[in-house]
Order: sequence, then structure tokens, then C-alpha cells
Amino acid sequence: SQQGEEDPQALSIQEGENATMNCSYKTSINNLQWYRQNSGRGLVHLILIRSNEREKHSGRLRVTLDTSKKSSSLLITASRAADTASYFCATDARQNMLTFGGGTRLMVKP
Amino acid sequence: DGGITQSPKYLFRKEGQNVTLSCEQNLNHDAMYWYRQDPGQGLRLIYYSQIVNDFQKGDIAEGYSVSREKKESFPLTVTSAQKNPTAFYLCASSTSAKRQGSEQFFGPGTRLTVL
Repeated sequence: SQQGEEDPQALSIQEGENATMNCSYKTSINNLQWYRQNSGRGLVHLILIRSNEREKHSGRLRVTLDTSKKSSSLLITASRAADTASYFCATDARQNMLTFGGGTRLMVKP
Repeated sequence: DGGITQSPKYLFRKEGQNVTLSCEQNLNHDAMYWYRQDPGQGLRLIYYSQIVNDFQKGDIAEGYSVSREKKESFPLTVTSAQKNPTAFYLCASSTSAKRQGSEQFFGPGTRLTVL
């Protein structure tokens, strides 16, 4: 079974809107990472948040982590058509062995 | 260019055949990983290697084998024992599997189809 589960499974928004994706996990973690995957391609690392951090920013990305609720969220502000992709959370609970969730498929309509 | 390359991009296999997927990196990373991705799903870990000449089974190793004879290379063999091998295979590397908080760098993937 997968450690992380993303919600929603699919999200469709208009360009300029914000997109929020959520990730829940089951066990204690060292860190949580978010990755992006364009259709049929490899994954690209977006951001890493450690278990002792609560919020992290990178450009238009904002990630939060609530270890008491075992959940994380990824916010993409002012979305662009080029943000259309699948987004995965991955939990690091086993010395850099990542466990991936099922992903959120984001579509940004121009 | 530094990065991870995988070949071939598409691979077709007849039932009963073994096939080998190539993964090469020039990032000087110690750790390398193989994942399997089924349509609409996340990634599942097949095998990983923290150092040359050492590798460990991941969550779904049955029907697969690997070798790590060189730091830059981590080939994956899909054997005939793998009952449902049609999937997208991704290779990744990181600086060290023992240092916490390492991001993984991914190759472009190989799409394997069993005919």
C-alpha cells in the first residue's frame, strides 16, 4: 500500500487561479517531498520540507506540513497553462527510500 | 549535460523473454533507484542501490533483477517471472541514500509493453 495519498485525484482550474493539493500519510517521516510529472516523462523535484518545518516557499509554490495530522498541502499560486501536470507527494520514512502517493492530475485551462 | 539517461524509450517484449533496461547517470551520485509506474498510479520501488556492488530489494522486487558493477550504471532486468510487466519504468539517483533529505533526480523513463 502507498504511504501517501493525494487529494483530489484530479483538479481542473482556470489560468490565474490557485491550485491546492493535499497529501496524507500514515507513519512518522523524516521529510516530505513534492514532485511534478509531465505526461509520459520523468519526475522533477519541486520542494522538500523536513519534519521539523511547518511551511516552505519556492517561487509560486507554498508547502505546509502538519505532522500531528500527518498531512501536507501544496499550493500553486497564479497558475499557468504550463503548470498542467501530475503532482506527487513522497514521504521519506526509511532513510531516503521514498514512498509515493497516487498523485493529483492538475489541468490549467488557458 | 549532467543527468540521467534511460534507454530505450519504448520496449516491446514477447511473453517469456527477459529484457534489460538501461540507466546511466553522470551526476556522481552514490544511490540509484528503479521504480515502476502503472497508468494513473504513483511510483513503486523495485530495487535500490546505495553503493557500487550493493543493492537491496524494494517493495515489488519479484520478477526483477539488477546489478551495480559501476557507479554510473544500474541496469534492470525484467524476467519472465514477472507476470505483468507492462508499465512505465523510471530510474532515479540521489547523492546518498544515507544522507537524509536528498532529492531524487529522475530519468525520462522506459515504457515496456508485453505483446
